[in-house]
Amino acid sequence: KNEVEQSPQNLTAQEGEFITINCSYSVGISALHWLQQHPGGGIVSLFMLSSGKKKHGRLIATINIQEKHSSLHITASHPRDSAVYICAYTPNTGNQFYFGTGTSLTVIP
Amino acid sequence: KAGVTQTPRYLIKTRGQQVTLSCSPISGHRSVSWYQQTPGQGLQFLFEYFSETQRNKGNFPGRFSGRQFSNSRSEMNVSTLELGDSALYLCASSSTGTGDTQYFGPGTRLTVL
Repeated sequence: KNEVEQSPQNLTAQEGEFITINCSYSVGISALHWLQQHPGGGIVSLFMLSSGKKKHGRLIATINIQEKHSSLHITASHPRDSAVYICAYTPNTGNQFYFGTGTSLTVIP
Repeated sequence: KAGVTQTPRYLIKTRGQQVTLSCSPISGHRSVSWYQQTPGQGLQFLFEYFSETQRNKGNFPGRFSGRQFSNSRSEMNVSTLELGDSALYLCASSSTGTGDTQYFGPGTRLTVL
């Protein structure tokens, strides 16, 4: 069983919609990360969370440590948000990431 | 600051050969991690180096090895290539510590024929 589970696997939205991607994990973590990967492979780190909530532009990330759950929200979605969104955790030792399977988001104009 | 660079960007090899991939981290970053991405297995952790020492290792066979130099540049080597080693190999660097934000390079696309 994967230690990090993401849902949904695929998501299609109309431009302007509010989007939520969920991530659950089953191990102790140092931090939870949300990443974005565009076609071609480049990965960008969006958020690093150890508690609470963070906001960057139209993106909001939350984490509930007790429930071992995190969500990524995109408000007023735009076609340029189309990408694969990946949650990953770093354990209590080291910097390495362990990844979820990713959510492929397509935003239609 | 320049980002993480990886060379080469694309590589084609045949089964049984070996390959060396290179990663130059962001200046001042001392931690370099390597990942393999395949359509079937997704993103998987290979190993992490910090100040020239392998600090953590993923669940990969001994054909996969790496090292880090005193200037924090890192190389990974895959010997006796198999078809299943075809993948995008990504490296990422971070400054130090545990749970830091990592900055990813563009990756090396390896095709094994």
